[in-house]
Amino acid sequence: AQSVSQHNHHVILSEAASLELGCNYSYGGTVNLFWYVQYPGQHLQLLLKYFSGDPLVKGIKGFEAEFIKSKFSFNLRKPSVQWSDTAEYFCAVTLFYNTDKLIFGTGTRLQVFP
Amino acid sequence: DGGITQSPKYLFRKEGQNVTLSCEQNLNHDAMYWYRQDPGQGLRLIYYSQIVNDFQKGDIAEGYSVSREKKESFPLTVTSAQKNPTAFYLCASRWTSGRGSGELFFGEGSRLTVL
Repeated sequence: AQSVSQHNHHVILSEAASLELGCNYSYGGTVNLFWYVQYPGQHLQLLLKYFSGDPLVKGIKGFEAEFIKSKFSFNLRKPSVQWSDTAEYFCAVTLFYNTDKLIFGTGTRLQVFP
Repeated sequence: DGGITQSPKYLFRKEGQNVTLSCEQNLNHDAMYWYRQDPGQGLRLIYYSQIVNDFQKGDIAEGYSVSREKKESFPLTVTSAQKNPTAFYLCASRWTSGRGSGELFFGEGSRLTVL
């Protein structure tokens, strides 16, 4: 079955530390890739997305993600996290030619301490 | 302001009762979705609808029902057949064509607790 895996369930960092959250998917075809973020008490919002082109995608708030097709991965990175980055992060995938269904990973909870 | 409105935000229900969660959007989006969010399980797709009067089952449709009589509305009924209905329910919508067609926009969610 097609799936999205986020192996880091809970990440704890100090401010200014670097962040990398893993995301792997099992779709065989061309895909669209997303990272969503859910801040405490707020609704899910899009952090960044990849449809095609440059595999290094930049999003809001200094986040970026790299699509590595050979590894079926779309890892999220930030060079220096802030306390305000404390949130839950979800990776999501949809097939390029069938965008009807967006499949989400299980999420990674990030806690950043001052 | 454009957006997705879910109601109620919190709902308590006794076992054996059906309950309907409302989702309304004024973004003129074509497609609408219902997800269920449980701790450690991420978001799982319940139902989705690409056009009015049509909808498809997602991965965990059992015990749920939907309707799509209007473009802007996609209510979800949690029936008594749903064995574990206590959860956080998220409604989302998107355009189905054009540059932004892949991106989902989410409502703030409805938390259902079955007593």
